[in-house]
This record gives sequence, C-alpha cells and structure tokens, in this order.
Amino acid sequence: KAGVTQTPRYLIKTRGQQVTLSCSPISGHRSVSWYQQTPGQGLQFLFEYFSETQRNKGNFPGRFSGRQFSNSRSEMNVSTLELGDSALYLCASSSPTGTDTQYFGPGTRLTVL
Amino acid sequence: GQQLNQSPQSMFIQEGEDVSMNCTSSSIFNTWLWYKQDPGEGPVLLIALYKAGELTSNGRLTAQFGITRKDSFLNISASIPSDVGIYFCAGHRAQKLVFGQGTRLTINP
Repeated sequence: KAGVTQTPRYLIKTRGQQVTLSCSPISGHRSVSWYQQTPGQGLQFLFEYFSETQRNKGNFPGRFSGRQFSNSRSEMNVSTLELGDSALYLCASSSPTGTDTQYFGPGTRLTVL
Repeated sequence: GQQLNQSPQSMFIQEGEDVSMNCTSSSIFNTWLWYKQDPGEGPVLLIALYKAGELTSNGRLTAQFGITRKDSFLNISASIPSDVGIYFCAGHRAQKLVFGQGTRLTINP
C-alpha cells in the first residue's frame, strides 16, 4: 500500500502571499490531520478532517484553513503568510477504526521570505 | 501548545550501547505512540501502545505504556548507526496527538 503523499515537498513564498498544500492519505484512510513542525515549538496540531468535515482544530489563527475532499485527499491553506509560518507541514492519516495510530507523510517544507 | 515532557533531549552514545528515553505527562492518554524522524522527512511510526501496562517490542525496540496512563518509555538495544535520528513520543486523547519535544540520538561508531 502506498504511504501518505504530500505535494509539493518544498515551497518558497514571500510575506503576504498565500499557499496551498496537498495531502493524499493511505488508501482506505478517512481521517487526515495536519501538523506544523518548527525547531522552537516542535510538532503542533493544526486540524483534523474526517469524511470531509473538520472534526478537531488546534490553536492556530484563522489564516490557517483546510478542507477534505470526497476521496479523502486534503488541502491546507495559509493566507497572508508571515515569516513565522516557515516550517515543515506534516500530514498524517489514520485507519478507518479511529485516529489513534497516525501515519505521516514526508512533509512540505515552507520557507517564507 | 500542550507538550509531553520527553527526556533526555539528546543522547550521545557508542555503537552497541542500549538507549532509554521516556515521556511523562500530567494528563491521561488512551494511546502512546513512538516515532522516529530523519532530517527532512516525516516521522515514521515505530511502536503503538493501546493499553495501560502494555509492553511491546519491534525488533531491537521495546516500549511500555505506563500503568498510570501518564507515561511511556522506549528502549533501543544494541544501537547501530542507522538508529541516529530524533525520536518522538506522542499521546492520543480527544482525537488529537500531543507530541514530546523529541530525543536526538547521536551514535559514535
């Protein structure tokens, strides 16, 4: 079975721009979670989608949003980028039985200049 | 955001040595997970623990779910060079994963 895939792997943007990241979960997985990883804050939960509905949300500003499609693929969007948004953005999917065990993709490295 | 207390933050060991790291929390978790992350990659699941007191092995790795459900440890026996990386614990509760700050393992050959 193919793992979680994320595109693009690397992205460079400037302040004020917006960005969309994509995640394709493991086949059959319906839950997708997004995390931000920075050296200072570690791994921080952004939000989780299940069956096209946002089921859970972390403590991030409204500039961070996401959605999930009927095929379980998910996108996250960050608007009005700030320098502090530079991070590795990780997507994880989990099995149909729940969200306990999450499998991560390789991440998208976003650099904001 | 909420984090688990993971220790040690870094370890420098000789190849062949055993390694031990742990995570503690003031909160109860339903599941404990251990991941390894290599530079520029996403975390890879090593071991998942679902019951308090559970002891699980995966090759040279052994992890335990603390009986109080507030802690977990990971042991690596007879370390080899490919064990180098950052190890994260994660606790699952209320449909969220909460992560420790990671243990960076460096191995001298």
